[in-house]
Amino acid sequence: GENVEQHPSTLSVQEGDSAVIKCTYSDSASNYFPWYKQELGKRPQLIIDIRSNVGEKKDQRIAVTLNKTAKHFSLHITETQPEDSAVYFCAASISNTGNQFYFGTGTSLTVIP
Amino acid sequence: GAVVSQHPSWVICKSGTSVKIECRSLDFQATTMFWYRQFPKQSLMLMATSNEGSKATYEQGVEKDKFLINHASLTLSTLTVTSAHPEDSSFYICSASVRTSGTEELFFGEGSRLTVL
Repeated sequence: GENVEQHPSTLSVQEGDSAVIKCTYSDSASNYFPWYKQELGKRPQLIIDIRSNVGEKKDQRIAVTLNKTAKHFSLHITETQPEDSAVYFCAASISNTGNQFYFGTGTSLTVIP
Repeated sequence: GAVVSQHPSWVICKSGTSVKIECRSLDFQATTMFWYRQFPKQSLMLMATSNEGSKATYEQGVEKDKFLINHASLTLSTLTVTSAHPEDSSFYICSASVRTSGTEELFFGEGSRLTVL
């Protein structure tokens, strides 16, 4: 089955700096890679996603890159703000099959004001 | 986006009792729902895939008789933790996938925090 690894497990940055979280996956059939943000005690919320036919996607301060050959994808947050502090999860899935989503172990991001 | 509602959000029970958690898709029909378990500061661990009208598919290591899943309608899946024990205390989250633009996106319920005394 799919194995998703995520690094780092914790990340602290100064407000205004950039944050990068990296994930790798094992199943080359995976073709959909969402990122979720989870605040303490709340449900995960989708913040951005990327499909395997795209190498990069950007939405305001958030961007995701995908390297299919190396089987890794990354989340980039620029101009970080205190409200970006949360746990971020990457996931991999094979779309169109109703299959499960496999999650990374999470990254706890702290943005220091 | 699609709305998934979970109830109760927090439940405390005595050891040995059973607890039922409901997961509803409010504005769409979900033939498939997923149940996850999350320990503090850890990732989402898939427990089972709930299929409407058929038996759930459990992940390796998850006890079927312990965690009963029923998906009797296209908008409701339930997880029953039977004979709960303190080690079952956890945050349980359901999700449903919605097909958009040829891809399935995952929407999560609010989560249910179970504390077994």
